[in-house]
Amino acid sequence: DTGVSQNPRHKITKRGQNVTFRCDPISEHNRLYWYRQTLGQGPEFLTYFQNEAQLEKSRLLSDRFSAERPKGSFSTLEIQRTEQGDSAMYLCASSFENTIYFGEGSWLTVV
Amino acid sequence: SQELEQSPQSLIVQEGKNLTINCTSSKTLYGLYWYKQKYGEGLIFLMMLQKGGEEKSHEKITAKLDEKKQQSSLHITASQPSHAGIYLCGADLNNFNKFYFGSGTKLNVKP
Repeated sequence: DTGVSQNPRHKITKRGQNVTFRCDPISEHNRLYWYRQTLGQGPEFLTYFQNEAQLEKSRLLSDRFSAERPKGSFSTLEIQRTEQGDSAMYLCASSFENTIYFGEGSWLTVV
Repeated sequence: SQELEQSPQSLIVQEGKNLTINCTSSKTLYGLYWYKQKYGEGLIFLMMLQKGGEEKSHEKITAKLDEKKQQSSLHITASQPSHAGIYLCGADLNNFNKFYFGSGTKLNVKP
């Protein structure tokens, strides 16, 4: 499969724990995006990388959230000290030139 | 997303009826994507439109991008229960520095 890959697909964690999601973009795609989607809403932009550089961060990305793309390939999104309000689907996308592709998403449930 | 307005927010139609969903932007759309999403699942790519006046069809779904490239419509002909889901428009408003989504249209098709 050469699409955008996200894992884990589902994660249940206790409030206060840290979680990390990984996104493997399509090979050679230089742009990578993270979005968050809660029930009944469209996906909301979180952050964007061009190669390894994080070019933009949404105000939604509080200081408990950090995203990295160390070698310009895969990316990780870490949420520290999770709160119940962090429960959502976290979507990753990658793009090259003018076409964007989305992963299946990683569902987070904070209990 | 305030950048993309989708209407209606929700729609209930009888099986066999036609319907239209609209996506409007205040900025020029460099690329307009339509996605379908089942509850709790990832995005299913439907169509992408780039040129003003462009129209694409797949099975019973037709999408159009107006000449000014600021509005798109998604039309479903003879709707079926399998068409039920959330329809999202997504767009590049800044030549791929950021990809925005509409808030989605929830479609129910009554048998």
